[in-house]
Amino acid sequence: GQSLEQPSEVTAVEGAIVQINCTYQTSGFYGLSWYQQHDGGAPTFLSYNALDGLEETGRFSSFLSRSDSYGYLLLQELQMKDSASYFCAVRFEGAGSYQLTFGKGTKLSVIP
Amino acid sequence: DAGVTQSPTHLIKTRGQQVTLRCSPKSGHDTVSWYQQALGQGPQFIFQYYEEEERQRGNFPDRFSGHQFPNYSSELNVNALLLGDSALYLCASSPSSPGELFFGEGSRLTVL
Repeated sequence: GQSLEQPSEVTAVEGAIVQINCTYQTSGFYGLSWYQQHDGGAPTFLSYNALDGLEETGRFSSFLSRSDSYGYLLLQELQMKDSASYFCAVRFEGAGSYQLTFGKGTKLSVIP
Repeated sequence: DAGVTQSPTHLIKTRGQQVTLRCSPKSGHDTVSWYQQALGQGPQFIFQYYEEEERQRGNFPDRFSGHQFPNYSSELNVNALLLGDSALYLCASSPSSPGELFFGEGSRLTVL
């Protein structure tokens, strides 16, 4: 089976940097994704890592270490609008299709 | 270009009833996945449709069924509703090649 662990809540100050960690256990691992979800909204895609290393997209970066079954999402220059829930999700291949298994989410609160 | 659209946005049912939720994928996408998201939890995979067939199914009972139409739109049906079926039901589309998921805003189902 698959399982993902991420902190349930994180609080950070506007303008600061925050890192949200994710550890996973899965067979047939294909890649790690991150999604953002504001209260009442749809999850929106942030990043995807299939290979080890850092992927940077603007203020957001995502890191993956396949040997450690570990990844993180790094948010820089935090803004109030970054207050949301962040989900890591594991992609694995089975029966010729692609399924995402989501973690329980990390609720990020950005304070002034 | 319209994104993923779902209907209805909110609905209330009573135990034992049946419900049908609808989804239109993003233009150019032929794969539709359905997820259930309970309050404070991450989305849980129900099933995925491709070429009008169920390609993969998560750990959900047979009360949950679906359909995909030739225009790639999809329906999720839930029979014999239970209180525990109260959740946000998310539809996500993706192109046939591997990539990110695009989520709709969801249908919030309340079972009384």
